[in-house]
Amino acid sequence: EVQLVESGGGLVQPGGSLRLSCAASGFTVSSTYMSWVRQAPGKGLEWVSVIYSGGSTSYADSVRGRFTISRDTSKNTLYLQLSSLRADDTGVYYCARGEVSSGHENFDYWGQGTLVTVSS
Amino acid sequence: DIQMTQSPSSLSASVGDRVTITCRASQSISSYLNWYQQKPGKAPKLLIYAASSLQSGVPSSFSGSGSGTDFTLTISSLQPEDFATFYCQQTYSTPPYTFGQGTKLEIK
Repeated sequence: EVQLVESGGGLVQPGGSLRLSCAASGFTVSSTYMSWVRQAPGKGLEWVSVIYSGGSTSYADSVRGRFTISRDTSKNTLYLQLSSLRADDTGVYYCARGEVSSGHENFDYWGQGTLVTVSS
Repeated sequence: DIQMTQSPSSLSASVGDRVTITCRASQSISSYLNWYQQKPGKAPKLLIYAASSLQSGVPSSFSGSGSGTDFTLTISSLQPEDFATFYCQQTYSTPPYTFGQGTKLEIK
């Protein structure tokens, strides 16, 4: 059974850093693409970052240069390093597994989310 | 980047109603469109991929249609557990994997 379990969220001051983890089971994180998606309180979904099976990465304009996505295949875990945090980075951060079905990408499994609060 | 716009932003309906939610892309995305359902305090759940393909385990009361720039998600007969917020997502030109702003479906 595929499972994704996020951790690492919490309260951090503006300008601070945090590392989020997403422990995967039931599949290998390096075998497919993995993304982070966030949701500000009361708002919609915002795609944040992706890491592809080959290791290439990409970021939303709003986080490029401040966030870093990575994975550890030995731990089967996805990470998101958050730096230079701002108040508008506050929200629930979800990891999601990427799948390609009939040639079409989608996010077929999601973690339960971890809350990041940026406040002084 | 491709922009996704959903309408309406919110909708009230009754159990048993037929409901349609619309998603429009800022340029043609062929059939590279997914739909997700999110209930309060929960993670999103994939309902439809490739505009009209039902994800495994999703009730057949859900259906998707459209291609190019205009897409619809239809729930044929609303059940109490269907009330949630729905998001479309384009995967034609990625990254970014752009979502619509969401449509909140509430009980009338």
